[in-house]
Amino acid sequence: QQQVKQSPQSLIVQKGGISIINCAYENTAFDYFPWYQQFPGKGPALLIAIRPDVSEKKEGRFTISFNKSAKQFSLHIMDSQPGDSATYFCAASGFLGNQFYFGTGTSLTVIP
Amino acid sequence: DAGVTQSPTHLIKTRGQQVTLRCSPKSGHDTVSWYQQALGQGPQFIFQYYEEEERQRGNFPDRFSGHQFPNYSSELNVNALLLGDSALYLCASSPGEAEQYFGPGTRLTVT
Repeated sequence: QQQVKQSPQSLIVQKGGISIINCAYENTAFDYFPWYQQFPGKGPALLIAIRPDVSEKKEGRFTISFNKSAKQFSLHIMDSQPGDSATYFCAASGFLGNQFYFGTGTSLTVIP
Repeated sequence: DAGVTQSPTHLIKTRGQQVTLRCSPKSGHDTVSWYQQALGQGPQFIFQYYEEEERQRGNFPDRFSGHQFPNYSSELNVNALLLGDSALYLCASSPGEAEQYFGPGTRLTVT
């Protein structure tokens, strides 16, 4: 059973546009929700993370929106750039350091 | 400050063989987790080591085993390799219960 469901599978956005990736989870024991960016041949790199005590967290062009009642969270990439083209994974864990459950990934392509 | 390092980068093995993958955590990190990432999929948790003990294990068979050394580095061993074990194996380290930082991975191909 997939603990974290991610959509869409792929996304094409024009340069300067907003990229939005969504994730949903079932386990209410999860309390840490990171997003990772992965380029081909590289390991995932931590982008931004949120705890359920806040509804939004922003770091530069990246924003996480969190809806605890709906058990959903999303990544927004503002002013998307071609260099943002990568695969993005959402994840969830019961507490920091516990095993992470990853979504299936979203392949983002930003066209110039 | 070096990040998480893994060796080797690539590895080709034959079905039935055994393989050992190595991981050196980021400086100051004492917890190491291993993940398997099949092509086009998200990483799947294998196990986590802390203070040289396996602290938590995912849904992987006993053919997958590990070890953590006093300097916090770690090894992942896979016995009796199957074609389905072909994947990118990722090591992640963290300073106790904190954000996990991933290494570049080892690409294992089983033929």
